[in-house]
Amino acid sequence: GDSVTQMEGPVTLSEEAFLTINCTYTATGYPSLFWYVQYPGEGLQLLLKATKADDKGSNKGFEATYRKETTSFHLEKGSVQVSDSAVYFCALSGGGGSEKLVFGKGTKLTVNP
Amino acid sequence: DTAVSQTPKYLVTQMGNDKSIKCEQNLGHDTMYWYKQDSKKFLKIMFSYNNKELIINETVPNRFSPKSPDKAHLNLHINSLELGDSAVYFCASSPRDRNTGELFFGEGSRLTVL
Repeated sequence: GDSVTQMEGPVTLSEEAFLTINCTYTATGYPSLFWYVQYPGEGLQLLLKATKADDKGSNKGFEATYRKETTSFHLEKGSVQVSDSAVYFCALSGGGGSEKLVFGKGTKLTVNP
Repeated sequence: DTAVSQTPKYLVTQMGNDKSIKCEQNLGHDTMYWYKQDSKKFLKIMFSYNNKELIINETVPNRFSPKSPDKAHLNLHINSLELGDSAVYFCASSPRDRNTGELFFGEGSRLTVL
C-alpha cells in the first residue's frame, strides 16, 4: 500500500539556520503530496502541496519540490524562526485512486533563539 | 468562527466506560474523517464519511462506531474503553474535490483511559 517515510526527529536548530526535513514516498499511480504542520496544542494545518511531478509548493518561506524520479518531497526553509517550532508531517493522497490521506510519522522541530 | 470544532477537548475516564466525541464543521464540506494520533505523534485514519455515507473504514475495533446524522456532523462513540485507546483523536473535513487533498482539522480531543 501507499506509504510515506520521513526523517526521524527530533530536529533542533538555532534561529536563522537552514532546515531540511526529508520525505520519500511509495505509491501506485500519481499521488498529490503535502506538508502539514502541527503547532503545540493545535490540530494539523496544511503548509504546502504539490499535485504533479516537478511542481514546487511554497508557503511562509518553506518550499518542497515533487521529485518523481527520486519519489521525494523534501521540506526546506532557508532561515528558521523560533515560531517555526512544531511537528511537520509529510503526506500523500490519490495514489492508486484512494481518497485517503496517508501521513508520515512526523518530525518534531525545535528552534532555539 | 471555528471551522471544525470537536468536543470535549479533554476526556479522562475509566477502563470499560463508554464515551463519545462530537465533531461539527461549518465549511460546507461533504467529507469528514476521524484520525487517531498516538503518543509518538503517528497519525492514522480511522473512518471517513462522504455526505453521511461511510467510505473508509480502516481496521478499527468494532468498539468504535462513527455516526453521521448529517453531513456537517461526525461523532465518534467508543464502547468498553481500553488503556490502548488513550490518544488524541482528530476530526477533519475536506471538500468534495478528491484531488485537493487538503484536510481541515479540529484541535483534537485528548482521551486518557485510566
